[in-house]
Formats: sequence, C-alpha cells, structure tokens
Amino acid sequence: GENVEQHPSTLSVQEGDSAVIKCTYSDSASNYFPWYKQELGKGPQLIIDIRSNVGEKKDQRIAVTLNKTAKHFSLHITETQPEDSAVYFCAPHSIYNTDKLIFGTGTRLQVFP
Amino acid sequence: DTEVTQTPKHLVMGMTNKKSLKCEQHMGHRAMYWYKQKAKKPPELMFVYSYEKLSINESVPSRFSPECPNSSLLNLHLHALQPEDSALYLCASSAGPLVGNTIYFGEGSWLTVV
Repeated sequence: GENVEQHPSTLSVQEGDSAVIKCTYSDSASNYFPWYKQELGKGPQLIIDIRSNVGEKKDQRIAVTLNKTAKHFSLHITETQPEDSAVYFCAPHSIYNTDKLIFGTGTRLQVFP
Repeated sequence: DTEVTQTPKHLVMGMTNKKSLKCEQHMGHRAMYWYKQKAKKPPELMFVYSYEKLSINESVPSRFSPECPNSSLLNLHLHALQPEDSALYLCASSAGPLVGNTIYFGEGSWLTVV
C-alpha cells in the first residue's frame, strides 16, 4: 500500500520567516498532490494542490513543488504569520481512487510572533 | 458553497448506547467519506460512499455502521462502542471519481465513549 511520510514532524519559525514541509510517497500511480491545514478543533481544509503534469503552483504566500521522479512534493510558506500555526497534512493519491487516500503523518507548524 | 455540515459537534455516550452522527452537503458531490482521527494522528479513512454505494469497509469494526440515505446525506450509526473509539469523526465529500477529487471536510464530531 501507499507509504506517505512528512518531514519535519514539528517546525517552529519566527514570524516573517519561511517554512518548508516535505512529503514523500511510494505509490507511482499518485497524480494529485494536495496539502491540508488543520487548525485546533477543526477539520482539515485544503490550502493548495497540484496535479502531476505541473511542477510548481503558487497562491499568494503558499506554494507547492512536485518532483514526481523522486516521489516527493513540498509545501512552501513565505512570510509566515501566527495564524499559519496549525498541523499540515499531505495526501497524495490518484484522482480516480480516493478510497486509497492516505494522509501523511502531519507536521505541526508553530509561528512565533 | 463549499460546506460539509456535521452534527452533533460533541457526543458523549455509554458503551451500551446507540447513537448516530450525521453529515450533510449541498455541493452536488457524489462521494462521501467518514474518517476517524485520534489525537496527534492523521485522519484514517473508515468508509467511502461513491454514488450512494459503499466502496470500502475493511478493518472497521461492525459496531460502526454507515448509511447513505441519499447523495447529500451520510450517517454513521454507533452501537456498543468501546472507550478506545473516542476520537474526532470527520465527514468529507468530493465530486467523485473521474470528475475531480478535491475533498472537503466538515468540522468534525467529537465522540467520547464512557
């Protein structure tokens, strides 16, 4: 089955710094690469995603880069703010098989003012 | 409107009780999901309904019973649960296979089994 790992498991940064979280997966059939943000007491919310035919996607302060050959993709957050503090999950999968969707292990990001 | 609504937000039940968690979406999605999330862990998929048909039901104990009355509603019936079943239960939906699979989550139902 799919093996999904995230690194680091925790990340502490100063407000204004950048943060990078890496997700490594094993299933070569994966062609959709989303990142979810889960704030305390809430459900995960999609923040950015990328498809396998694209190498990079940016949305304001967040970006996702994909290396399909190496089977990893990364979340980049620039100019971090305290409200970015949350747990971030990757969930690579095939768009045809959401019943095989497995979340990564999660990364707890803390942004200190 | 990208909203998945779950009720109740909090539920405390005894091991002999029968209760249900409810989920509703009005995005016209044809796939709905139940996830279980323990503290400091990622969500784990329990059930998938795709076009109102149950797609998976493998290692989840029979004390959890899903029901999909129509494409907008998803219930999770709970009976004879154990304390270790205490967790956050997340409902989600997506447009469905072959269409586009951004998954939208509800806020979750916090379940405590005593």
